[in-house]
Amino acid sequence: AQKVTQAQTEISVVEKEDVTLDCVYETRDTTYYLFWYKQPPSGELVFLIRRNSFDEQNEISGRYSWNFQKSTSSFNFTITASQVVDSAVYFCALSEAGDKVIFGPGTSLSVIP
Amino acid sequence: DGGITQSPKYLFRKEGQNVTLSCEQNLNHDAMYWYRQDPGQGLRLIYYSQIVNDFQKGDIAEGYSVSREKKESFPLTVTSAQKNPTAFYLCASSMREGWGNQPQHFGDGTRLSIL
Repeated sequence: AQKVTQAQTEISVVEKEDVTLDCVYETRDTTYYLFWYKQPPSGELVFLIRRNSFDEQNEISGRYSWNFQKSTSSFNFTITASQVVDSAVYFCALSEAGDKVIFGPGTSLSVIP
Repeated sequence: DGGITQSPKYLFRKEGQNVTLSCEQNLNHDAMYWYRQDPGQGLRLIYYSQIVNDFQKGDIAEGYSVSREKKESFPLTVTSAQKNPTAFYLCASSMREGWGNQPQHFGDGTRLSIL
């Protein structure tokens, strides 16, 4: 069965600090997709990134970077030089090929000015 | 702008009452979804639809019903059989091809409370 664990329930950092959000997943499939979504206080989830199981290259997009490691079944998300606008709940999610998406419980990030 | 519109933003239900949450999208997506979010929990799938006039139960479908008569619309009815309906409800859509692997676009959500 597929499962997504985000062990950090809440994180608080001071503005400009770097922060890493952890995501550990479980799946028996060799083909799967991993996602990160951001949920700001307004409520809607915003898609950030998708990764397939065959592409372990790390990715950087501005202040955001993602570290995908199949050996440890992890897909961690780092925000560099955090800003107040980064305050949100972040969800990691997993989809086995051709199946529905399973979301983790989310990590609530507070960036303090 | 293309997107998903959910209404109302806040909804109150009386005992024994059915209420319907609206979800409309203009992204030309075939697949649509309803999720329930409870405090401190991730999203749980209620129903999904990959094409007009067809829909499937998700993980927590009991007490809910849906219809998909138009591509743009996927309303969710919370029936009186749902004993604990207080939650935040999110509607989403995606392309149908490889549907589980597609990024989903979300609406702003409807917060349902019991009177």
